[in-house]
Amino acid sequence: RKEVEQDPGPFNVPEGATVAFNCTYSNSASQSFFWYRQDCRKEPKLLMSVYSSGNEDGRFTAQLNRASQYISLLIRDSKLSDSATYLCVVNRARSGGSYIPTFGRGTSLIVHP
Amino acid sequence: GAGVSQSPSNKVTEKGKDVELRCDPISGHTALYWYRQSLGQGLEFLIYFQGNSAPDKSGLPSDRFSAERTGGSVSTLTIQRTQQEDSAVYLCASTDPPSYEQYFGPGTRLTVT
Repeated sequence: RKEVEQDPGPFNVPEGATVAFNCTYSNSASQSFFWYRQDCRKEPKLLMSVYSSGNEDGRFTAQLNRASQYISLLIRDSKLSDSATYLCVVNRARSGGSYIPTFGRGTSLIVHP
Repeated sequence: GAGVSQSPSNKVTEKGKDVELRCDPISGHTALYWYRQSLGQGLEFLIYFQGNSAPDKSGLPSDRFSAERTGGSVSTLTIQRTQQEDSAVYLCASTDPPSYEQYFGPGTRLTVT
């Protein structure tokens, strides 16, 4: 089983729709969680961190479920500019103190007019 | 402020040649990562530097790959005797503290012919 798994999609939704992505992780020792956005042929950029209590940033809501070992991203009122690949990232301390994030392969979102 | 920079942005090389890729992290960031991303794939961790500690090289795919970080700042990733399967985008990221948000450079697109 991969350490971080995401549905690759693509999720094809109309403008204004609400769309949700899930990401599962296998290591219960995982400590911090993030969603990154990657546009085509660009570098990943942080979208939002994911906190235990859940957090919201405008149209975006992230949640963490430690018991079931998944994180989610909800996008409300989708815009054309939301079209991108969304990467789930899970971080934990390794032996020796390294922090090496594990990236999911990403979920592709296409928002159409 | 200045972000992470990488050079060159594109590199085309012949199979068997050596290449050097450079990364300038954000000033003051103690942690530096190298990843590679093949077309349509997720980010593959290569190597991690944290302060003056020994680097975590657990992601390097073969002994043809090496990296160094001089003075806790600039890093160079070297690929010796390049192979066609080395063709990918090589991304560098820096962060501080190491458990938090990663700032990525624009990447170096390596093509081995």
